[in-house]
Amino acid sequence: AQSVTQLGSHVSVSEGALVLLRCNYSSSVPPYLFWYVQYPNQGLQLLLKYTSAATLVKGINGFEAEFKKSETSFHLTKPSAHMSDAAEYFCAVTEGFGNEKLTFGTGTRLTIIP
Amino acid sequence: DGGITQSPKYLFRKEGQNVTLSCEQNLNHDAMYWYRQDPGQGLRLIYYSQIVNDFQKGDIAEGYSVSREKKESFPLTVTSAQKNPTAFYLCASSFTNQPQHFGDGTRLSIL
Repeated sequence: AQSVTQLGSHVSVSEGALVLLRCNYSSSVPPYLFWYVQYPNQGLQLLLKYTSAATLVKGINGFEAEFKKSETSFHLTKPSAHMSDAAEYFCAVTEGFGNEKLTFGTGTRLTIIP
Repeated sequence: DGGITQSPKYLFRKEGQNVTLSCEQNLNHDAMYWYRQDPGQGLRLIYYSQIVNDFQKGDIAEGYSVSREKKESFPLTVTSAQKNPTAFYLCASSFTNQPQHFGDGTRLSIL
């Protein structure tokens, strides 16, 4: 069975500082991993995806994530936080395309301090 | 513009009532999904459908029902058997082997 753990339900960073949101996964087969962002009272928007190609994945809005098999991690980073990055972020895993059942983490709420 | 439309945005239910949440997509996606979101719990899969006239239970299907009579539509009924229906409901769709796209959700509350 697959699972996702997001460390830290709330993260605060200063504007211009590094953003690091942590995600660890468990999967019995090579996983496909995703980061989604959710703004208040809206749906989820795909930030980036890992599908067994390059281990460093670049997404929208300056975010990127690195797949580390040895650490079963897929942490999300952004070099310089912007006020518009304030939102909730979800990491998700699926055991390969063709099995589109996504398992989500519990989310991390990112607050940006002016 | 192509997308996923969920309606209504806010919905109120009285005790003992069934309510139906609408989800329509014009992306020609094959698969559609319903998730429930509760604070601090992430998203949990209720039902999903990979083809018209076929659907499968997700992790928390009890108290819910769905239909998939048309490719573009996947309505969710919250029945009176669902004892704790207050939540934010999200519909998603995808092509086979592609990431899911989400609608803007319906917030259901109990009067």
